[in-house]
Amino acid sequence: DAGITQSPRHKVTETGTPVTLRCHQTENHRYMYWYRQDPGHGLRLIHYSYGVKDTDKGEVSDGYSVSRSKTEDFLLTLESATSSQTSVYFCATRLLTSGHYEQYFGPGTRLTVT
Amino acid sequence: AQTVTQSQPEMSVQEAETVTLSCTYDTSESNYYLFWYKQPPSRQMILVIRQEAYKQQNATENRFSVNFQKAAKSFSLKISDSQLGDTAMYFCAFMKSGAGSYQLTFGKGTKLSVIP
Repeated sequence: DAGITQSPRHKVTETGTPVTLRCHQTENHRYMYWYRQDPGHGLRLIHYSYGVKDTDKGEVSDGYSVSRSKTEDFLLTLESATSSQTSVYFCATRLLTSGHYEQYFGPGTRLTVT
Repeated sequence: AQTVTQSQPEMSVQEAETVTLSCTYDTSESNYYLFWYKQPPSRQMILVIRQEAYKQQNATENRFSVNFQKAAKSFSLKISDSQLGDTAMYFCAFMKSGAGSYQLTFGKGTKLSVIP
């Protein structure tokens, strides 16, 4: 258990509105990630962070921005939500376990854009 | 770029039987990890097993074991003595090791149903 929480767990919003999802971890892990999960696509990386104020884009970053002002919090923002951003969003952190890296995931946020 | 392919969208197995889920991947990297994640109906992503590419020995975790064929770029998951709680989506994932983002690249998943 990597001590990851996500909020909110469920959200319904309208097209064009801004949305921010929060990921919070208690283990002081340096790397954090945002993925989205869609049927037929598995999970795909949106953005990741390798430290406070250090972020980079993933495979499907268009329409998303992120911020990390504290080690424990990684925020994902949809500036103007679209129906194509209806998805389940997962946050993850990278841990060193028995000398090897692994990623552990939060419980996910289901976002519906109407 | 890496790709991960899971060719079985759905599978079923009788309780107590053995089932094997397939995964192939494509990469030019020499140092990497491979993982299997389980996603039950609760939606939580649970790490099942990890394989380091430099290790020839196949990883095992209780009833879960892998068949790692590096030359063939194949990484299958075997579940022995299947239980009802094994019903879930299973995702194969690739992680490049060494410097970089350590991001995961996932396959599209296999939905496994364990039948009583």
